[in-house]
Amino acid sequence: EAGVAQSPRYKIIEKRQSVAFWCNPISGHATLYWYQQILGQGPKLLIQFQNNGVVDDSQLPKDRFSAERLKGVDSTLKIQPAKLEDSAVYLCASRSGGGGSEKLFFGSGTQLSVL
Amino acid sequence: QKEVEQDPGPLSVPEGAIVSLNCTYSNSAFQYFMWYRQYSRKGPELLMYTYSSGNKEDGRFTAQVDKSSKYISLFIRDSQPSDSATYLCAMSARGNKLVFGAGTILRVKS
Repeated sequence: EAGVAQSPRYKIIEKRQSVAFWCNPISGHATLYWYQQILGQGPKLLIQFQNNGVVDDSQLPKDRFSAERLKGVDSTLKIQPAKLEDSAVYLCASRSGGGGSEKLFFGSGTQLSVL
Repeated sequence: QKEVEQDPGPLSVPEGAIVSLNCTYSNSAFQYFMWYRQYSRKGPELLMYTYSSGNKEDGRFTAQVDKSSKYISLFIRDSQPSDSATYLCAMSARGNKLVFGAGTILRVKS
C-alpha cells in the first residue's frame, strides 16, 4: 500500500513570496490533515478535511494560509505572502473513516525555509 | 501551561539499555494515547496506540497510561542504534484534534 505522498521535499523562498505544497493521501482515506512542525516542537494542526469539507481550521492563519481539497482526494496548502516565522516542516497526514483523530499516517513533509 | 509536556532530551543510552520516555498532560478528557517515532527528515510513524488506561506491549515496546496521574510512558527494551529517533507522544479526546508533545530525542550508542 502506498503511503502519503508530498511534494516538494524542500523549498527555499524569500519573505513575501508565495509557495504551495501538494499532498496525495493514502487511497480511500477520507480524512486529510495539514500540520506545521517548527524545529524542536511537535506537529501543530493547521487544517482538517473530511472528504472535501473543512472540519477544523481554527489554527490556520487565514490572512496568509489557504488550503483546498477539491475532489476529496489530493490537497494543496498555500502560503501568500510568506513570513520568516513560517519556516517549518509542513506535514500532510491521512486516516480512514471520520471522527476522532487517532491512527494518523504521515507523509515525509515539505521543509520550507523563508529567508 | 502546555496541554502536553514532554522532556526534549536528548537522551543518550548504550545499546541494550532499557529506555523510558514519558509525557504528562493536563486535559482529563484525553482518552486516546499514541506514541510516534520520527526519524530525521521523515514524517512521524505510529508506534503504539492505547485507548484509556492500562498497558500495551508490542515486541520490545511497552506503552503505559495512568489516567489518574495524567502520565503516559513508553518503554523500549534491548534498545538498538536503529531506535535512535525523536519520540512524540500524542493524545486526543474523542472527536477532537490530536495534541502532540514536543518530542524526546533518543540516541542509542553502539
